[in-house]
Amino acid sequence: EAQVTQNPRYLITVTGKKLTVTCSQNMNHEYMSWYRQDPGLGLRQIYYSMNVEVTDKGDVPEGYKVSRKEKRNFPLILESPSPNQTSLYFCASSLQRGGTEAFFGQGTRLTVV
Amino acid sequence: GQQLNQSPQSMFIQEGEDVSMNCTSSSIFNTWLWYKQDPGEGPVLLIALYKAGELTSNGRLTAQFGITRKDSFLNISASIPSDVGIYFCAGHPANAGGTSYGKLTFGQGTILTVHP
Repeated sequence: EAQVTQNPRYLITVTGKKLTVTCSQNMNHEYMSWYRQDPGLGLRQIYYSMNVEVTDKGDVPEGYKVSRKEKRNFPLILESPSPNQTSLYFCASSLQRGGTEAFFGQGTRLTVV
Repeated sequence: GQQLNQSPQSMFIQEGEDVSMNCTSSSIFNTWLWYKQDPGEGPVLLIALYKAGELTSNGRLTAQFGITRKDSFLNISASIPSDVGIYFCAGHPANAGGTSYGKLTFGQGTILTVHP
């Protein structure tokens, strides 16, 4: 089954404790991206990757890091989480930028206290 | 970053009614996408538009890429209860060249409620 898998689905952590949210896709897609969703703001792009070892900033990259060492994985790293990073995070992949086969993961709800 | 203004923010309609929502921007977009998000789920792509003036249908859904490339609309005909959810427009800005080629901007969403 074609899917984008995020882990964990829910996470509560403390300020400053490094964490990683994993994202994996099994469709051999080149393009992957991370978004955060906050009430009234829609989804805002954090980082995206056009292919292995090719990443770039979206609209809200501050406080986040990503890596793309393999085509299927695109982890989101919060080196020192802060309460303003409490949000719902989504990973997505598609065959190409803006492709019709755009798949989103189930989301990760992160709370930073 | 780029801004997409989506309206209305919310809609309360009766089953069977038609729905219309739109998205506008002050700058040009190369691609317009429409997504639906159900509670607790990630967004699902409904329609993708790639050319100015393009009109595309997907069942009861119809979307158009505005001629000016600064707007798009989504219509839902004969709404049913399962149409409930949040609808998002999204687009790739035309001035996102070079390494910004992959940027995707979303609107704030339209919350649709359908009363049986």
